[in-house]
Amino acid sequence: DQQVKQNSPSLSVQEGRISILNCDYTNSMFDYFLWYKKYPAEGPTFLISISSIKDKNEDGRFTVFLNKSAKHLSLHIVPSQPGDSAVYFCAATPSGTYKYIFGTGTRLKVLA
Amino acid sequence: DVKVTQSSRYLVKRTGEKVFLECVQDMDHENMFWYRQDPGLGLRLIYFSYDVKMKEKGDIPEGYSVSREKKERFSLILESASTNQTSMYLCASSFPPDSGNTIYFGEGSWLTVV
Repeated sequence: DQQVKQNSPSLSVQEGRISILNCDYTNSMFDYFLWYKKYPAEGPTFLISISSIKDKNEDGRFTVFLNKSAKHLSLHIVPSQPGDSAVYFCAATPSGTYKYIFGTGTRLKVLA
Repeated sequence: DVKVTQSSRYLVKRTGEKVFLECVQDMDHENMFWYRQDPGLGLRLIYFSYDVKMKEKGDIPEGYSVSREKKERFSLILESASTNQTSMYLCASSFPPDSGNTIYFGEGSWLTVV
């Protein structure tokens, strides 16, 4: 039972355009969400997070949107750069637990 | 900056060998984790530890054990390596849940079992 789903295994975007990566979850107990970026042969790097009391969090070129009613979150990267090419994982956790559930990842390719 | 260091980046081991993967963090985090990452399966939790000498099984603990003798160090042990344990192994650490929910990963250890 996959509680966190990233339904798009891959995405290609032109440099300078917007990249939108999507993530759906099923467990209503999740109240904190994170995005990680992973280059090949490296560990995931924390990008941005959002608490369920917010519906948007922004950090530079990265914005995460949370739609609690739809159990959906998305990561927007504007403008996309070739260095953004990587695999992006979303993760969710219920506060107060040690449990982080990760999606299967979306491979983003930004074309120059 | 948080630093999670995995001592071995690339290992090749024979079936049946005992394998140790070591991880050290420098942020005084209480929680430490071992995940494995496989294509199409995302990150799956093997074990985590919330204190010295304390451990709990994750989603896929079979064939693995862990050791946490010091707060900063968390070891993953494959008692008898098998080819289906060929994977990328990721160590991570974090503060307790009520002190922040971000976990930080090491660079990963690529293990090939032949």
